[in-house]
Amino acid sequence: NAGVTQTPKFQVLKTGQSMTLQCAQDMNHNSMYWYRQDPGMGLRLIYYSASEGTTDKGEVPNGYNVSRLNKREFSLRLESAAPSQTSVYFCASSEIVGTYYSNQPQHFGDGTRLSIL
Amino acid sequence: GESVGLHLPTLSVQEGDNSIINCAYSNSASDYFIWYKQESGKGPQFIIDIRSNMDKRQGQRVTVLLNKTVKHLSLQIAATQPGDSAVYFCAETPDTGRRALTFGSGTRLQVQP
Repeated sequence: NAGVTQTPKFQVLKTGQSMTLQCAQDMNHNSMYWYRQDPGMGLRLIYYSASEGTTDKGEVPNGYNVSRLNKREFSLRLESAAPSQTSVYFCASSEIVGTYYSNQPQHFGDGTRLSIL
Repeated sequence: GESVGLHLPTLSVQEGDNSIINCAYSNSASDYFIWYKQESGKGPQFIIDIRSNMDKRQGQRVTVLLNKTVKHLSLQIAATQPGDSAVYFCAETPDTGRRALTFGSGTRLQVQP
């Protein structure tokens, strides 16, 4: 099983360039997430999509936009890249169980390593 | 603000010993906790989870303990192996309806042969 697939794995951009990071999951999960991880730190939530058709801001949304293309795919866009956005970006997905928002483990891709010069 | 943190940045153990990784959290409303393992160049890998109505949960060679009184979480790894070397993160989900995770900064586990 592929799980969560992220493309590309590596990318170098110049300041001001734009780019879209792609994420797809094959686990039929309803919820998807984008995180960034900076050196020596835990992951910080950028945006999430609780279900198809909805997106919400996380802890660090500035400079990013997202699109939940369908149930499988959730993309992250940098409109005008800045050096402060140099990071490793992780996409994750999880299921919704039951009537309530019962928490389930999030499953992660292997990340996109993005450098902005 | 609310935070999830770890007591030790690096833990070094001998192969075969038991490892204990600790985590403190500050949000008393948190109701779901997860431990992740992250190897170099990889995404976080789910290890074990526990809900706030439990004190202990066991998996294969791993046990998670939750002490809600002091807001403390620990991960115990039995008979630590070289393949256990990685960074371990605890994460929590507050009981606010938003099901995104808040991560701690991680503990690096080094297993000495």
